[in-house]
Amino acid sequence: TQLLEQSPQFLSIQEGENLTVYCNSSSVFSSLQWYRQEPGEGPVLLVTVVTGGEVKKLKRLTFQFGDARKDSSLHITAAQPGDTGLYLCAVQKSGTSYGKLTFGQGTILTVHP
Amino acid sequence: DARVTQTPRDKVTEMGQEVTMRCQPILGHNTVFWYRQTMMQGLELLAYFRNRAPLDDSGMPKDRFSAEMPDATLATLKIQPSEPRDSAVYFCASGLGLDWEDTQYFGPGTRLTVL
Repeated sequence: TQLLEQSPQFLSIQEGENLTVYCNSSSVFSSLQWYRQEPGEGPVLLVTVVTGGEVKKLKRLTFQFGDARKDSSLHITAAQPGDTGLYLCAVQKSGTSYGKLTFGQGTILTVHP
Repeated sequence: DARVTQTPRDKVTEMGQEVTMRCQPILGHNTVFWYRQTMMQGLELLAYFRNRAPLDDSGMPKDRFSAEMPDATLATLKIQPSEPRDSAVYFCASGLGLDWEDTQYFGPGTRLTVL
């Protein structure tokens, strides 16, 4: 059983469409991170959410941390081909030492022109 | 523009051969992480260092994998002997180490193929 379940696994949309990807767990976390990974590159941190119910915006990306701090969502408005990539959520598993991140399996997003 | 660098970018080798991957963390970062990414398992932490000392390598197969930091500017991950199941992309990341939420800066990865 994965600690973090991401959905959908794959998403293929047209430029201009909106989309939401999800990161769910049965565990409670103090905070959660979202990364984007482009082909041939390493993941790049997009945001860290730390407060239940928190909403953070990064241009066309909106991140939300669930009230119970068990889940998070990433919403992209008016998707562009440059948004194509693998979106990963990550947490520090409780009881583990600093920096030991656990990642979800990711959502592969393809935005067609 | 400071970046984590990794060499080689691609490595194809035969089963049983030794493989060494190298990473140069961002200058001034005192934590270094090694990850492995596969389609089946996703991104997994293998080991990490703080101030060149290994803090946790529980994610790493001990019998064939070893990770070291000979100095602050170089981290190495060695596999000996390599096996086909080791085929993956190996990422190095570095960070300031102030808090777990600190940004980890990932390198471009080494794509390893073991035949």
